[in-house]
Parts: sequence; structure tokens; C-alpha cells
Amino acid sequence: SYELTQPLSVSVALGQTATITCGGNNIGGRNVHWYQQKPGQAPALVIYRDSNRPSGIPERFSGSNSGNTATLTISRAQAGDEADYSCQVWDSFVVFGGGTKLTVL
Amino acid sequence: EVQLVESGGGLVQPGGSLRLSCAASGFTFSNYWMTWVRQAPGKGLEWVANINQDGSEKYYVDSVKGRFTISRDSAKKSLYLQMNSLRAEDTAVYYCARDYAGYLDLWGRGTLVTVSS
Repeated sequence: SYELTQPLSVSVALGQTATITCGGNNIGGRNVHWYQQKPGQAPALVIYRDSNRPSGIPERFSGSNSGNTATLTISRAQAGDEADYSCQVWDSFVVFGGGTKLTVL
Repeated sequence: EVQLVESGGGLVQPGGSLRLSCAASGFTFSNYWMTWVRQAPGKGLEWVANINQDGSEKYYVDSVKGRFTISRDSAKKSLYLQMNSLRAEDTAVYYCARDYAGYLDLWGRGTLVTVSS
């Protein structure tokens, strides 16, 4: 089955840019989606099909996907961006990465 | 308001059964695939099962095949997960989610299932 690899944790200084990666074999050939999950809350879609933002998601959130790595980028990080972020692809069924905890310092 | 609301979770002994429900509102339920996702304490998200618009196609993660059954009732705008022969490793928050072309664009708040003696 297809596997997605994410770093366990990423830290970013307040106001700086956070980069969260999602690795997979030729993931660039797949659509990648990203979810944000704040403590005690349900996941919420923040990026779909590599780089598209649902309505209500700030422009500070962006995504890219090429080769073996997809990337979620959060510009001008805010304290409210602290959360777990999970990538997801479709491989006969939904496949999630293990999730990355983002800490804003 | 567009939303999904899960119910039916609780404490159950190993080997027991539970039926989860997910009530949909604010959108045309019968137009969408629907999915159950779970999250064990301190762990990542795990896809459990999904079902197509008319209930004719159902898919499951290997670990629940033969024990869990996903179903839906379009008249009641509801999604269900019948869970039998529950194990400790099934302990998790269970979320229902709307599947839109391969991604999950709407999630419920989840319901906690605890399997313990």
C-alpha cells in the first residue's frame, strides 16, 4: 500500500514561514490534500489538489507538489496556526500521512 | 448550516458492539460518497470505511473487514457504522466525513469509542 512520510514536528518563529513536507513515491503524480487539526477539534481541509485553498482559508496557506515531495507552506505564521497537519492522497482508498505537529515559537 | 454530527460512541467491553450514527444537514446527502475516519489517542488519522452515494459500493480498511459495516439512509440523511467484535485497538475518536472527489471537505466533531473491560 502507498505510504506517506511526514516529519513528527516542525517549529517556526512567530511571523516566519513554516514548511511541512509529505514524502511519497512519485507523489508528484498524485493529488495531495492537507488537513489542519487543532487540539480537541476535528480535522479541517486547508489545501486540496496540491495547491487549492477552500473558501475561508487564508492566502498564507499554500501548497506544492513535485517529484517525491509535497509541501505545505504557511507564511507569516501566527500562534493560531499551531496544530497537527496531515497530508492525504487517494490510493484505492484514503491514505493519510502520520501528521506533523507545528509549534509557533 | 452545512454540518455532520456523530453520535453513538461510548464505553464497551472487548467483543462487544456499537452502532455509530452521523446526521447530515445543509447539503444534498445523496450526492456524496461518505467516509468514516478514526484517530486513536495520540495517533494520526486512519481511514476506516467509505460508501458510495446509493450504498452499492462499500470499502473497508483490512483491520475492520468482517467486523464493521458501513451503511447509509438517504431518507434520514444519515450515515452509520455498525461495529462488532470490538477490540482494544479500536479505541479511537470516530469521525464521519464527506468525500468530495478524493478529499474530505466536511468533517463532524467526532464521537469517542473506548473498548475496555
